[in-house]
Amino acid sequence: GAVVSQHPSRVICKSGTSVKIECRSLDFQATTMFWYRQFPKQSLMLMATSNEGSKATYEQGVEKDKFLINHASLTLSTLTVTSAHPEDSSFYICSAQTPGQGTRTEAFFGQGTRLTVV
Amino acid sequence: KNQVEQSPQSLIILEGKNCTLQCNYTVSPFSNLRWYKQDTGRGPVSLTIMTFSENTKSNGRYTATLDADTKQSSLHITASQLSDSASYICVVSAGNYGGSQGNLIFGKGTKLSVKP
Repeated sequence: GAVVSQHPSRVICKSGTSVKIECRSLDFQATTMFWYRQFPKQSLMLMATSNEGSKATYEQGVEKDKFLINHASLTLSTLTVTSAHPEDSSFYICSAQTPGQGTRTEAFFGQGTRLTVV
Repeated sequence: KNQVEQSPQSLIILEGKNCTLQCNYTVSPFSNLRWYKQDTGRGPVSLTIMTFSENTKSNGRYTATLDADTKQSSLHITASQLSDSASYICVVSAGNYGGSQGNLIFGKGTKLSVKP
């Protein structure tokens, strides 16, 4: 199946610094990528939809100035957590959608990034 | 309100045994239903995807069923292995959006532990 690579898998940063997470689709072009956040024992929560060449669409309650998303190419989207605080500590997962409609499109997830802000 | 509910929340079984996980949804309009396996600290991996017209789909030891009338799905795992220990997530896609992931509704998952 298609592969989506997310990097880094783990990161520890100091409070107030920024952290960039990369999401790459390795063997298909993804015009749309998605960023999720997952708290322990919770389901994935969609944060934003990243569209290649245009501004990301953020879900209600997600601060766009805090979670900067850039989708500069058809195979790469980045999520930057700016001025990170301990409450931003979480598991962040990206997903890329293969071309197509309905069930002809498939969702592939990255391995996830465990962010710990100290 | 679009919702996906899974049961049980957690399950412990012995290696080699079978088990069935349940998913009930109230998503409209319905496009498709997916089951994912998520290992701890990893991203979800797709197991099956079913549309309205599909009643069952298998992927190795995993068999998913779908009853679109009652809006229920199940995931049956046969001859469980230790490596099956993971969270299993039911995800329903709301229709009329071209399959956009922005309309994926995630269940909270069932945490399966397979013991030797």
